[in-house]
Amino acid sequence: NAGVTQTPKFQVLKTGQSMTLQCAQDMNHNSMYWYRQDPGMGLRLIYYSASEGTTDKGEVPNGYNVSRLNKREFSLRLESAAPSQTSVYFCASSEITEAFFGQGTRLTVV
Amino acid sequence: QKEVEQNSGPLSVPEGAIASLNCTYSDRVSQSFFWYRQYSGKSPELIMSIYSNGDKEDGRFTAQLNKASQYVSLLIRDSQPSDSATYLCAVKDRDDKIIFGKGTRLHILP
Repeated sequence: NAGVTQTPKFQVLKTGQSMTLQCAQDMNHNSMYWYRQDPGMGLRLIYYSASEGTTDKGEVPNGYNVSRLNKREFSLRLESAAPSQTSVYFCASSEITEAFFGQGTRLTVV
Repeated sequence: QKEVEQNSGPLSVPEGAIASLNCTYSDRVSQSFFWYRQYSGKSPELIMSIYSNGDKEDGRFTAQLNKASQYVSLLIRDSQPSDSATYLCAVKDRDDKIIFGKGTRLHILP
């Protein structure tokens, strides 16, 4: 039972490059989330999707796009990476109650 | 902007004592409240969830909710060195958005 799976686990990008972070859950949850975590900042919500076909902005959406491909998958895209996007990114899913987290993606933009 | 506030700490507590962690939130119509524990370099893991006013106990952990004061707390009894971690308070609203506080670092002194 995998839960929430994120790929990749680590990534180094050059400024201006693009990439997509992938997230998949096997718990049949309706809601999915993308967070970033920086030192001393807790988890900040980038985007979330309350159901298949819907997405909404969170606290820090600038510089990111998302796609809810189907009920299982929710991807996060950086079109033109900037050093300020260096962070640990967590995907999570939820159904009525608490959120379950993936193992995180450590992204460095140089 | 909906906010969740926590004291960043560090909070130092002697082994065997009670650790008290506090959280306030701004959205009066928030539905669900969670406490997560996060070890360095790991994903957040759920400790407690609470949905109605009052206390909820689970082993050494007690969550307390006061919706009138918009206040959530977590008590850890008989604190152990393994409880040393960052504790994140999270609030879920009616739209399924989950917002986290910045976290409180807890250090249990042997």
